[in-house]
Amino acid sequence: DIQMTQSPSSLSASVRDRVTITCRASQSIRNSLNWYQQKPGRAPKLLIYAASTLQSGVPSRFSGSGSGTDFTLSISSLQPEDFATYYCQQSYSIPFTFGPGTKVDIK
Amino acid sequence: EVQLVESGGGLVQPGGSLRLSCSASGFTFSSYAMHWVRQAPGKGLEYVSAISSNGGSTYYADSLKGRFTISRDNSKNTLHLQMSSLRAEDTAVYYCVKLISGGSGAYDFWGQGTLVTVSS
Repeated sequence: DIQMTQSPSSLSASVRDRVTITCRASQSIRNSLNWYQQKPGRAPKLLIYAASTLQSGVPSRFSGSGSGTDFTLSISSLQPEDFATYYCQQSYSIPFTFGPGTKVDIK
Repeated sequence: EVQLVESGGGLVQPGGSLRLSCSASGFTFSSYAMHWVRQAPGKGLEYVSAISSNGGSTYYADSLKGRFTISRDNSKNTLHLQMSSLRAEDTAVYYCVKLISGGSGAYDFWGQGTLVTVSS
């Protein structure tokens, strides 16, 4: 199975800060990397797929980049509704494994 | 509007069985592979199982093989997960998820989840 890691595991930030989360795969997954946002008590929500494609309806302050083994999710100007946990997921090969998550909370 | 509604969760004793269902609407169910993903309390997301659009191919997390069975009824737009020999570590919210069009493998729609609690 492909192992996914994320860093940091948590971060504290202020509204309007730029935030970057990193995800790394244990082997090349080309661009088969997806990002999800999850708020407490809610199902995850797809933000970015295929490494850099913004899902319909997702604000443009979210962006993704990377290929191969190293990927990043960036939030250009953090908004109050962005405080949540973010997960990366590889969809290169089954099982579609997830990273452990990055919790973004208010500084 | 796409909707995925899970049901069948609840409290079950260790070693017991449970059958989860996911009722799908708002899209052509028979055209999409479907997956189950779970999340233990306070933990991250874990892939559980997958089934192809016609049900001919199934996949399972290694830790679950032989205990869980995924199936689908395309005539009723319903996905199932039969769980047996349940253990405390199977306690989780189980989500039914739909794959996005285009083959990227991303999950564009999630159900609200159904909680399975394995405890005596």
